[in-house]
Amino acid sequence: EAGVAQSPRYKIIEKRQSVAFWCNPISGHATLYWYQQILGQGPKLLIQFQNNGVVDDSQLPKDRFSAERLKGVDSTLKIQPAKLEDSAVYLCASITRRPGGWNEQFFGPGTRLTVL
Amino acid sequence: RKEVEQDPGPFNVPEGATVAFNCTYSNSASQSFFWYRQDCRKEPKLLMSVYSSGNEDGRFTAQLNRASQYISLLIRDSKLSDSATYLCVVNGADSSYKLIFGSGTRLLVRP
Repeated sequence: EAGVAQSPRYKIIEKRQSVAFWCNPISGHATLYWYQQILGQGPKLLIQFQNNGVVDDSQLPKDRFSAERLKGVDSTLKIQPAKLEDSAVYLCASITRRPGGWNEQFFGPGTRLTVL
Repeated sequence: RKEVEQDPGPFNVPEGATVAFNCTYSNSASQSFFWYRQDCRKEPKLLMSVYSSGNEDGRFTAQLNRASQYISLLIRDSKLSDSATYLCVVNGADSSYKLIFGSGTRLLVRP
């Protein structure tokens, strides 16, 4: 089974520039997440999609971050304009329901963003 | 107060040692609990879920104390390959689909 795909793996931009990240979840997974992981911290949820609808975007800085999942499959996360504090790894994840009734999250390899 | 709190470490132990990590969570309504492992510059991967009765997977034992809102992970007979960051994870009280991650505890196993 193919895993969660993300691109690019690395991106270096200057502050105030724009950047976009792409994610393709595991085939058939309806729920997709974007996380931000700053060095030394755990992943922080930015947005959760169920198919093409947003379930939770309460921690998404909407003045500069946007995300879409138009066809309910792959997703794009955009930052415009970027700030120095946006330097982080952006992780995409999707979930599988396990027999015990709990959900296992599978993460993509992440996109490491450096804002100069 | 953070929703999930962990000692950041690092824990520096010799091979063969037993090491324990602790975690506390703030929301008593949380129902699902996990330990994830994250290797340097890699994505997190599920290590094990944590059941109310406690559970064991080889050298790893997880315990949950709901009354104290406390989760633990015990690693016996540490291997060099156990060196990683261990993330304590609980589900959001409003949804089993939302996971809240601790900042992680770093483990270094030395020869």
